[in-house]
Amino acid sequence: AQSVTQPDIHITVSEGASLELRCNYSYGATPYLFWYVQSPGQGLQLLLKYFSGDTLVQGIKGFEAEFKRSQSSFNLRKPSVHWSDAAEYFCAVAGGLISNFGNEKLTFGTGTRLTIIP
Amino acid sequence: DAEITQSPRHKITETGRQVTLACHQTWNHNNMFWYRQDLGHGLRLIHYSYGVQDTNKGEVSDGYSVSRSNTEDLPLTLESAASSQTSVYFCASSGGQGVNTEAFFGQGTRLTVV
Repeated sequence: AQSVTQPDIHITVSEGASLELRCNYSYGATPYLFWYVQSPGQGLQLLLKYFSGDTLVQGIKGFEAEFKRSQSSFNLRKPSVHWSDAAEYFCAVAGGLISNFGNEKLTFGTGTRLTIIP
Repeated sequence: DAEITQSPRHKITETGRQVTLACHQTWNHNNMFWYRQDLGHGLRLIHYSYGVQDTNKGEVSDGYSVSRSNTEDLPLTLESAASSQTSVYFCASSGGQGVNTEAFFGQGTRLTVV
Protein backbone atom coordinates (compact mmCIF):
# COMPACT_ATOMS: atom_id res chain seq x y z
CA ALA A 1 0.00 0.00 0.00
CA GLN A 2 1.12 3.51 -0.71
CA SER A 3 1.91 5.93 2.10
CA VAL A 4 3.25 9.43 2.64
CA THR A 5 5.29 10.80 5.53
CA GLN A 6 5.64 14.47 6.30
CA PRO A 7 8.08 14.50 9.22
CA ASP A 8 7.61 18.16 10.16
CA ILE A 9 4.32 18.92 11.88
CA HIS A 10 5.00 22.64 12.21
CA ILE A 11 7.61 24.91 10.65
CA THR A 12 8.22 28.59 11.36
CA VAL A 13 10.20 30.76 8.98
CA SER A 14 10.83 34.46 8.64
CA GLU A 15 9.28 36.37 5.80
CA GLY A 16 11.75 36.49 2.91
CA ALA A 17 13.60 33.37 4.03
CA SER A 18 13.79 30.21 1.99
CA LEU A 19 11.54 27.24 2.68
CA GLU A 20 11.78 23.50 2.30
CA LEU A 21 8.99 21.14 3.34
CA ARG A 22 9.85 17.48 3.42
CA CYS A 23 7.84 14.62 1.98
CA ASN A 24 8.75 10.95 1.77
CA TYR A 25 6.57 8.41 0.03
CA SER A 26 6.28 4.67 -0.18
CA TYR A 27 5.05 3.08 -3.37
CA GLY A 28 6.18 0.04 -5.29
CA ALA A 29 6.25 1.59 -8.75
CA THR A 30 6.52 5.03 -10.27
CA PRO A 31 4.40 7.31 -8.11
CA TYR A 32 2.35 10.31 -9.03
CA LEU A 33 3.10 13.01 -6.47
CA PHE A 34 1.30 16.17 -5.47
CA TRP A 35 1.56 19.10 -3.13
CA TYR A 36 -1.60 20.82 -1.95
CA VAL A 37 -2.03 23.93 0.17
CA GLN A 38 -4.89 24.59 2.55
CA SER A 39 -5.52 28.08 3.86
CA PRO A 40 -7.51 28.40 7.09
CA GLY A 41 -11.15 27.46 6.58
CA GLN A 42 -10.59 26.64 2.94
CA GLY A 43 -10.39 23.58 0.75
CA LEU A 44 -7.24 22.23 -0.80
CA GLN A 45 -5.57 23.88 -3.77
CA LEU A 46 -3.10 22.08 -5.99
CA LEU A 47 0.37 23.66 -5.96
CA LEU A 48 2.13 21.26 -8.31
CA LYS A 49 2.29 17.67 -9.45
CA TYR A 50 4.81 15.18 -10.75
CA PHE A 51 3.90 12.46 -13.20
CA SER A 52 7.08 11.74 -15.11
CA GLY A 53 9.95 13.42 -16.94
CA ASP A 54 11.85 16.33 -15.46
CA THR A 55 12.32 15.70 -11.76
CA LEU A 56 12.13 19.39 -10.88
CA VAL A 57 8.59 20.64 -11.25
CA GLN A 58 7.37 24.18 -11.06
CA GLY A 59 4.08 25.12 -9.51
CA ILE A 60 1.96 28.09 -8.72
CA LYS A 61 2.84 30.86 -6.26
CA GLY A 62 6.57 30.43 -6.87
CA PHE A 63 6.79 26.91 -5.44
CA GLU A 64 8.84 24.08 -6.87
CA ALA A 65 9.44 20.47 -5.88
CA GLU A 66 12.09 17.92 -6.73
CA PHE A 67 11.41 14.22 -7.16
CA LYS A 68 14.29 12.06 -5.94
CA ARG A 69 13.62 8.40 -6.58
CA SER A 70 16.72 7.22 -4.71
CA GLN A 71 15.52 8.98 -1.56
CA SER A 72 11.78 8.40 -2.10
CA SER A 73 11.31 12.09 -1.56
CA PHE A 74 9.37 14.94 -3.08
CA ASN A 75 10.34 18.04 -1.11
CA LEU A 76 8.63 21.36 -1.67
CA ARG A 77 10.73 24.52 -1.88
CA LYS A 78 10.33 28.25 -2.21
CA PRO A 79 13.26 30.67 -2.35
CA SER A 80 11.55 33.52 -0.49
CA VAL A 81 8.34 33.13 1.49
CA HIS A 82 5.62 35.73 1.82
CA TRP A 83 3.26 36.21 4.76
CA SER A 84 0.45 34.92 2.55
CA ASP A 85 2.18 31.52 2.35
CA ALA A 86 1.15 30.75 5.93
CA ALA A 87 -1.05 27.67 5.58
CA GLU A 88 -1.12 23.90 5.90
CA TYR A 89 0.70 21.94 3.23
CA PHE A 90 -0.10 18.39 2.23
CA CYS A 91 1.92 15.98 0.17
CA ALA A 92 -0.02 13.22 -1.58
CA VAL A 93 0.71 10.18 -3.70
CA ALA A 94 -1.30 8.19 -6.22
CA GLY A 95 -0.34 5.17 -8.20
CA GLY A 96 -1.41 3.44 -11.35
CA LEU A 97 -1.26 3.71 -15.08
CA ILE A 98 -0.99 7.31 -16.18
CA SER A 99 -3.71 6.75 -18.73
CA ASN A 100 -6.06 5.82 -15.92
CA PHE A 101 -4.85 8.46 -13.56
CA GLY A 102 -8.11 10.25 -13.09
CA ASN A 103 -9.41 7.17 -11.30
CA GLU A 104 -6.66 6.98 -8.76
CA LYS A 105 -7.25 7.77 -5.13
CA LEU A 106 -4.93 10.11 -3.33
CA THR A 107 -3.10 9.11 -0.15
CA PHE A 108 -2.19 12.14 1.93
CA GLY A 109 0.48 12.86 4.46
CA THR A 110 -0.46 14.32 7.83
CA GLY A 111 0.42 17.83 6.75
CA THR A 112 2.90 20.54 7.74
CA ARG A 113 1.65 23.78 9.21
CA LEU A 114 3.72 26.76 8.06
CA THR A 115 3.91 29.90 10.18
CA ILE A 116 5.54 33.05 8.84
CA ILE A 117 7.05 35.59 11.22
CA PRO A 118 7.77 39.19 10.21
CA ASP B 1 -16.81 28.82 -13.92
CA ALA B 2 -17.03 25.19 -12.93
CA GLU B 3 -16.87 24.50 -9.23
CA ILE B 4 -17.45 22.01 -6.45
CA THR B 5 -19.63 23.03 -3.52
CA GLN B 6 -20.39 21.42 -0.19
CA SER B 7 -23.30 22.06 2.10
CA PRO B 8 -23.75 22.78 4.86
CA ARG B 9 -20.43 24.39 5.79
CA HIS B 10 -21.05 23.75 9.46
CA LYS B 11 -23.32 21.22 11.16
CA ILE B 12 -23.96 20.22 14.74
CA THR B 13 -25.90 17.04 15.31
CA GLU B 14 -26.68 14.66 18.12
CA THR B 15 -25.34 11.17 18.59
CA GLY B 16 -27.47 8.58 16.83
CA ARG B 17 -29.02 10.91 14.28
CA GLN B 18 -28.72 10.36 10.54
CA VAL B 19 -26.86 13.14 8.78
CA THR B 20 -26.32 13.80 5.08
CA LEU B 21 -23.61 16.05 3.70
CA ALA B 22 -24.07 17.32 0.17
CA CYS B 23 -21.46 17.62 -2.56
CA HIS B 24 -22.23 19.10 -5.98
CA GLN B 25 -19.78 19.60 -8.83
CA THR B 26 -20.23 21.32 -12.17
CA TRP B 27 -16.97 20.04 -13.72
CA ASN B 28 -18.82 17.09 -15.26
CA HIS B 29 -16.22 14.82 -13.69
CA ASN B 30 -16.86 11.11 -13.45
CA ASN B 31 -14.75 10.66 -10.33
CA MET B 32 -15.82 11.92 -6.93
CA PHE B 33 -14.33 11.33 -3.50
CA TRP B 34 -15.11 11.97 0.15
CA TYR B 35 -12.30 12.51 2.67
CA ARG B 36 -12.25 13.33 6.35
CA GLN B 37 -9.56 15.49 7.89
CA ASP B 38 -8.42 15.00 11.46
CA LEU B 39 -5.43 16.33 13.36
CA GLY B 40 -2.53 13.95 13.10
CA HIS B 41 -4.12 11.95 10.29
CA GLY B 42 -4.22 14.29 7.34
CA LEU B 43 -7.00 13.42 4.89
CA ARG B 44 -8.35 9.90 4.80
CA LEU B 45 -10.55 8.47 2.09
CA ILE B 46 -14.09 7.49 3.11
CA HIS B 47 -15.87 6.57 -0.14
CA TYR B 48 -15.42 7.21 -3.82
CA SER B 49 -17.27 6.86 -7.09
CA TYR B 50 -16.10 6.47 -10.67
CA GLY B 51 -19.47 7.19 -12.22
CA VAL B 52 -23.23 7.02 -11.90
CA GLN B 53 -24.36 4.01 -9.87
CA ASP B 54 -20.76 3.22 -8.91
CA THR B 55 -19.63 3.48 -5.27
CA ASN B 56 -16.60 2.09 -3.46
CA LYS B 57 -15.34 1.94 0.10
CA GLY B 58 -12.23 3.80 1.18
CA GLU B 59 -10.00 3.19 4.18
CA VAL B 60 -12.40 4.63 6.79
CA SER B 61 -15.84 3.75 5.43
CA ASP B 62 -17.46 2.23 8.53
CA GLY B 63 -20.56 4.18 9.52
CA TYR B 64 -20.78 6.06 6.22
CA SER B 65 -22.57 5.49 2.92
CA VAL B 66 -22.79 7.27 -0.43
CA SER B 67 -24.99 7.06 -3.48
CA ARG B 68 -24.43 8.31 -7.02
CA SER B 69 -27.63 8.84 -8.96
CA ASN B 70 -26.23 11.49 -11.32
CA THR B 71 -22.86 12.87 -12.40
CA GLU B 72 -23.02 16.06 -10.35
CA ASP B 73 -23.78 14.83 -6.83
CA LEU B 74 -22.27 12.47 -4.28
CA PRO B 75 -24.03 12.87 -0.93
CA LEU B 76 -22.37 11.36 2.14
CA THR B 77 -24.64 9.87 4.80
CA LEU B 78 -23.74 9.11 8.37
CA GLU B 79 -26.24 6.40 9.27
CA SER B 80 -26.07 6.93 13.04
CA ALA B 81 -23.74 9.76 13.98
CA ALA B 82 -21.08 9.06 16.59
CA SER B 83 -18.73 11.41 18.42
CA SER B 84 -15.82 9.78 16.60
CA GLN B 85 -17.24 11.19 13.38
CA THR B 86 -16.68 14.75 14.49
CA SER B 87 -14.37 15.97 11.76
CA VAL B 88 -13.97 18.18 8.73
CA TYR B 89 -15.24 16.51 5.58
CA PHE B 90 -13.97 17.29 2.09
CA CYS B 91 -15.46 16.32 -1.20
CA ALA B 92 -13.33 16.18 -4.34
CA SER B 93 -13.83 15.47 -8.01
CA SER B 94 -11.30 14.64 -10.68
CA GLY B 95 -11.21 14.33 -14.41
CA GLY B 96 -9.13 15.08 -17.45
CA GLN B 97 -6.69 12.88 -19.29
CA GLY B 98 -3.28 11.70 -18.13
CA VAL B 99 -1.03 14.52 -17.04
CA ASN B 100 -3.86 17.01 -17.35
CA THR B 101 -5.80 15.26 -14.63
CA GLU B 102 -6.44 17.28 -11.52
CA ALA B 103 -8.56 16.82 -8.43
CA PHE B 104 -10.60 19.78 -7.18
CA PHE B 105 -11.73 20.07 -3.58
CA GLY B 106 -14.73 21.66 -1.98
CA GLN B 107 -14.34 24.06 0.94
CA GLY B 108 -15.25 21.45 3.50
CA THR B 109 -18.01 20.75 6.01
CA ARG B 110 -17.23 20.95 9.68
CA LEU B 111 -19.37 18.38 11.49
CA THR B 112 -19.70 18.22 15.25
CA VAL B 113 -21.47 15.29 16.87
CA VAL B 114 -22.56 15.99 20.46
